Amino acid sequence: QQQVKQSPQSLIVQKGGISIINCAYENTAFDYFPWYQQFPGKGPALLIAIRPDVSEKKEGRFTISFNKSAKQFSLHIMDSQPGDSATYFCAASDGGDDKIIFGKGTRLHILP
Amino acid sequence: NAGVTQTPKFRVLKTGQSMTLLCAQDMNHEYMYWYRQDPGMGLRLIHYSVGEGTTAKGEVPDGYNVSRLKKQNFLLGLESAAPSQTSVYFCASSYLRQGLYEQFFGPGTRLTVL
Repeated sequence: QQQVKQSPQSLIVQKGGISIINCAYENTAFDYFPWYQQFPGKGPALLIAIRPDVSEKKEGRFTISFNKSAKQFSLHIMDSQPGDSATYFCAASDGGDDKIIFGKGTRLHILP
Repeated sequence: NAGVTQTPKFRVLKTGQSMTLLCAQDMNHEYMYWYRQDPGMGLRLIHYSVGEGTTAKGEVPDGYNVSRLKKQNFLLGLESAAPSQTSVYFCASSYLRQGLYEQFFGPGTRLTVL
């Protein structure tokens, strides 16, 4: 049973455009939603995270939008740059749990 | 700080051979994890540890064993490697910050089983 569903699998965006990656979850006990960024040949690294007490969190060009009633959250990358080309994973956990459930990832390619 | 390190970076095994992957962290984190990453499958948790001397099963533990004899090290063993274990293996460690666990990943080990 996949607890965090991520889409799309791959995404191509023009430089300067907006990249949008969506995730949906099933477990209503989840209360921590991080996004990880992974460059080729590297391990994932925490990019941005949100808790469900806010509907949006912004850090620079990266924004998480959260819809608790729909059990969905998304990552928006504004003014996408070729350096943003990477694989992005959404994830979720019960804050009291030491484990994180990852989505299957989205391979993002920004065209120069 | 080196963060999370993994050895080796690459390894090729024949079916039935055994090996151990080593993960080390210098951040004094209590929690450590082993994941495998396969195309289109995301990161799947193999085993994890919540402290020295403790281990627990994750989502895909079969065919693997782990040990956490020292707080800074977490070993992943394959007793009899199978082609299905061809994957990229990531180790991570985490700590509790503001009530949430942030995971830090190593650079990965690419394992091929022939």
